[in-house]
Amino acid sequence: QSALTQPPSASGSPGQSVTISCTGTSGDVGGYNYVSWYQQRPGKGPELMIYEITKRPSGVPDRFSGSKSGNTASLTVSGLQGADEGDYYCSSYAGIKGWVFGGGTKLTVL
Amino acid sequence: EVQVVESGGGLMQPGGSLRLSCAASGFSVNNSYISWVRQAPGKGLEWVSSIYRRGHSNSADSMEGRFSISRDSSRNNVYLQTYSLTAADTAVYYCVRGESFGALFSGWGQGTLVAVSS
Repeated sequence: QSALTQPPSASGSPGQSVTISCTGTSGDVGGYNYVSWYQQRPGKGPELMIYEITKRPSGVPDRFSGSKSGNTASLTVSGLQGADEGDYYCSSYAGIKGWVFGGGTKLTVL
Repeated sequence: EVQVVESGGGLMQPGGSLRLSCAASGFSVNNSYISWVRQAPGKGLEWVSSIYRRGHSNSADSMEGRFSISRDSSRNNVYLQTYSLTAADTAVYYCVRGESFGALFSGWGQGTLVAVSS
């Protein structure tokens, strides 16, 4: 069982927005501003999409945005495109426990 | 080009030990953030171990002290030493470079597969 809870699947039509949640505890998501999101396309390695809750690495489209409220972080993908399909994982710093990941959410563009 | 390349994976017997290597290019592992993250077949990502800029390191509790991370600045490599392997350790092991503490898992290698089976 993963330390952070994500819905197993999410979907949306092209052009729509979808939000993926990532729920932890006050010992990880709620306690630190070190939440990140990763995209993993089939057969590929993960790619960092969001770090420190809201920041985007260079090259990541601004259609990807992050937020946090309490013990739950969220990733929103706006203007869905077919290329956005894949698995999305969240991670968080967890203090003395180190780092934890969510179980992953499979995003399908209908 | 900044990149990390893993090596050392393979088929291992239960109870065996293995050292995975992560070769860095385009940057120095000394004074850098490097982590190992694994992914079992068909499963999610799992943090294994990290070494930080000033040399401090930590590992997941679930690894029960069986995994140890180190770096060799002369070779510009980072290593993951594993002991007492079980079938549950079967996974692709990724070496990951961090741009900062908050972006610890910024640049991922292609991964190396460790399969533990008798």
